[in-house]
Amino acid sequence: GAGVSQSPSNKVTEKGKDVELRCDPISGHTALYWYRQSLGQGLEFLIYFQGNSAPDKSGLPSDRFSAERTGGSVSTLTIQRTQQEDSAVYLCASSLEYLDNEQFFGPGTRLTVL
Amino acid sequence: DAKTTQPPSMDCAEGRAANLPCNHSTISGNEYVYWYRQIHSQGPQYIIHGLKNNETNEMASLIITEDRKSSTLILPHATLRDTAVYYCIVKRAAGNKLTFGGGTRVLVKP
Repeated sequence: GAGVSQSPSNKVTEKGKDVELRCDPISGHTALYWYRQSLGQGLEFLIYFQGNSAPDKSGLPSDRFSAERTGGSVSTLTIQRTQQEDSAVYLCASSLEYLDNEQFFGPGTRLTVL
Repeated sequence: DAKTTQPPSMDCAEGRAANLPCNHSTISGNEYVYWYRQIHSQGPQYIIHGLKNNETNEMASLIITEDRKSSTLILPHATLRDTAVYYCIVKRAAGNKLTFGGGTRVLVKP
């Protein structure tokens, strides 16, 4: 079946602009995660959603970052007033449930802030 | 979650076994060892995980020492497509947030 998809695959924006990144998880997966990966670095957790529970926003680096998950499926990560240090690959993952062991990752969105 | 230490890189000959070490000397009793890999320009991919017993699946084997302070991921017959960065992660099962460190960059050579 279809895996996790993300759009756009690449996004170039100017400093100060807002951007929206989209994630379509695997159908039926109740848990959805956002991570980011800076060039040559490891994975940094941002936020996760589990069913109808309040999201865990503990990894968001600033209040410029926010995320929504509508209808328990598609999620949007929004970065307001982008800064150059926001440049990274933003990865979305989903799993069957929060306590499930395997996360399925999308291909990521490469964000470049000029 | 406990910190892990991995060699930054290693080479492996195609068709041979690749043994990837990971040290996690501060691991707690309720923490699992997970392995993911990331092929260039792709998202991470789950490989295997274990608590204290050795584990094997279609991708790899995981050997965990008796004191659980270190483990080895074994790719039994490495192929060129196994070239990737391999991440060893230690975390509690109750909680699914992943944090990757530097990982081991594995280059499989013909």
